[in-house]
Amino acid sequence: DSGVTQTPKHLITATGQRVTLRCSPRSGDLSVYWYQQSLDQGLQFLIQYYNGEERAKGNILERFSAQQFPDLHSELNLSSLELGDSALYFCASSVSSGYTYEQYFGPGTRLTVT
Amino acid sequence: SQQGEEDPQALSIQEGENATMNCSYKTSINNLQWYRQNSGRGLVHLILIRSNEREKHSGRLRVTLDTSKKSSSLLITASRAADTASYFCATDRQGGSEKLVFGKGTKLTVNP
Repeated sequence: DSGVTQTPKHLITATGQRVTLRCSPRSGDLSVYWYQQSLDQGLQFLIQYYNGEERAKGNILERFSAQQFPDLHSELNLSSLELGDSALYFCASSVSSGYTYEQYFGPGTRLTVT
Repeated sequence: SQQGEEDPQALSIQEGENATMNCSYKTSINNLQWYRQNSGRGLVHLILIRSNEREKHSGRLRVTLDTSKKSSSLLITASRAADTASYFCATDRQGGSEKLVFGKGTKLTVNP
């Protein structure tokens, strides 16, 4: 158990809908990262937050957005969902920022768009 | 785009044998990390090696890093059936953010 929690574990929804994925980092970790894992693209970095502020952005679609709250939990919002958004979404956390530390991953949320 | 490329893509061995997986990457890095993923589940952090380190050990794991060749290897000694998983290397670009760029992974099967 990495100490990172994600909810829900599974999500099935229809095209055009909007969903919110939630992540709680390990106790004491200030950085939260979101990754998407799909069969064709592999593991792709989406976005990083550090202590409530956006720190780095990857190939995140405009339909996707994220935020980190004062209690450091983070949410990833996916809207206007398409079939191709079906994937495993992982959240990871690390203790700090500015120099790479180990990133600890949550169990993931499996999103299925039908 | 993928920064790291693992090879082989798949590896099948018998319990007790050693397993070696390789990772190559394209740009200068700060660190390289290895992760394990059991089928469809979360990634488990195995080991982090910094760019100024050449070798690191953790239990039955041995990781080497050759920055001149932009490559790393992960050796699992005395493998067990429970080591069956996909193994990924992940790098962060030197001078860049801490985002990790993952390879496509090596799928290891350890037969009992």
